[in-house]
Amino acid sequence: DAGVIQSPRHEVTEMGQEVTLRCKPISGHNSLFWYRQTMMRGLELLIYFNNNVPIDDSGMPEDRFSAKMPNASFSTLKIQPSEPRDSAVYFCASSFASQETQYFGPGTRLLVL
Amino acid sequence: EDQVTQSPEALRLQEGESSSLNCSYTVSGLRGLFWYRQDPGKGPEFLFTLYSAGEEKEKERLKATLTKKESFLHITAPKPEDSATYLCAVQGPGSARQLTFGSGTQLTVLP
Repeated sequence: DAGVIQSPRHEVTEMGQEVTLRCKPISGHNSLFWYRQTMMRGLELLIYFNNNVPIDDSGMPEDRFSAKMPNASFSTLKIQPSEPRDSAVYFCASSFASQETQYFGPGTRLLVL
Repeated sequence: EDQVTQSPEALRLQEGESSSLNCSYTVSGLRGLFWYRQDPGKGPEFLFTLYSAGEEKEKERLKATLTKKESFLHITAPKPEDSATYLCAVQGPGSARQLTFGSGTQLTVLP
């Protein structure tokens, strides 16, 4: 059974460019989470969807960040315009609504020059 | 605000040398405490969920325990393949499912 799928695995871009990260949750899971991991701040929740609806986006750092979940099997996290301080590893995780355990994808390592 | 503190930050053990990792937490109404393992360049891998004080769970050389203020991850006779960063996270009450993570303990097991 496939786990959470993220793409791309690595992204290098220049400051000011638009970056789009993609996530496919585990089939049947109806909760989806976007996290950011840095050495300084560890793992931080950015936004959480339940049944494709954004529930809590209080962790989104600023208006440059946006996330969508058009259907149960796909989500995007977009950064526009990107800045060097956005460099981090971005993880997507999913879970069943009736269970608490979140399963993480392999992450996207983003470097903004 | 939920808080999670893990100690030590880093731990080096000889193969076979048992030890424990600590996770202290502050949360108003614990819904669950989670342990994950993270290998370099990979996403966190789920290990255990603990729900109430006194609960224990085991998996191979790992045993997780929970009290009202902290959780321990005991590693018995570790092997080099147990080397990883171990993350602890808590989930508070309410309908939200956000996890608050600690900064992790980086474990190195030397052969």
